[in-house]
Amino acid sequence: QVKLAESGGDLVKPGGSLRLSCVASGFTFNDYYMTWIRQAPGKGLEWVSYIDGRSTFTRYADSVKGRFTISRDNAKNSLYLQMNSLRAEDTAVYYCASSPPPIFGAFPPYYFNYWGQGALVTVSS
Amino acid sequence: IVLTQSPGTLSLSPGERATLSCRASQSVTSSFLAWYQQKPGQAPRLLIHGATSRATGVPDRFSASGSGTDFTLTITRLETEDSAVYYCHQYGSSPLTFGGGTKVEIK
Repeated sequence: QVKLAESGGDLVKPGGSLRLSCVASGFTFNDYYMTWIRQAPGKGLEWVSYIDGRSTFTRYADSVKGRFTISRDNAKNSLYLQMNSLRAEDTAVYYCASSPPPIFGAFPPYYFNYWGQGALVTVSS
Repeated sequence: IVLTQSPGTLSLSPGERATLSCRASQSVTSSFLAWYQQKPGQAPRLLIHGATSRATGVPDRFSASGSGTDFTLTITRLETEDSAVYYCHQYGSSPLTFGGGTKVEIK
């Protein structure tokens, strides 16, 4: 069955850096968009960044643009999020999520059919 | 597209019917709307995609309808395990957006 497992969450000081990882199994990883979605404590869902299967297309939310970088290693079935210049408002649980096959007429990454259990990132001095 | 969910909280008894609303600030292209369920301490789970299609393994107590700007998730015969926050999400326009969520409490 499909499994997504995040790691790398930690407590980091403002201005610091952190790299999240997500290992996927149970599907052909390189065929699908992958997305990072975050949820601040007690808040709703916010997409952060997504990447296509071949790493030719990436997109970022305005709130993280220029500070975060998404990447993937298909040989390792892994997704990454490099987070630099972290701020207190980046404190959240970060989920990786997979997408279904392309949907004609819809905007990628479409909807999210599988989610990881999340990694907690806390930015505080 | 801004998605507004209502009510903010719904408190119902087991066996009752829950009706959750998701209203879009403009028409959602081709009904590209999904619903997710998030139980406390867990990751969200896909319930519905394409406005009306249940995801694999989702009980038929969950149904959804709507098009354009108005969408509804209905949970019939509520069970205690349905206690969760439910989010709608549109993927017909860029950037993708989520609603703010509706919390369903079971009395």
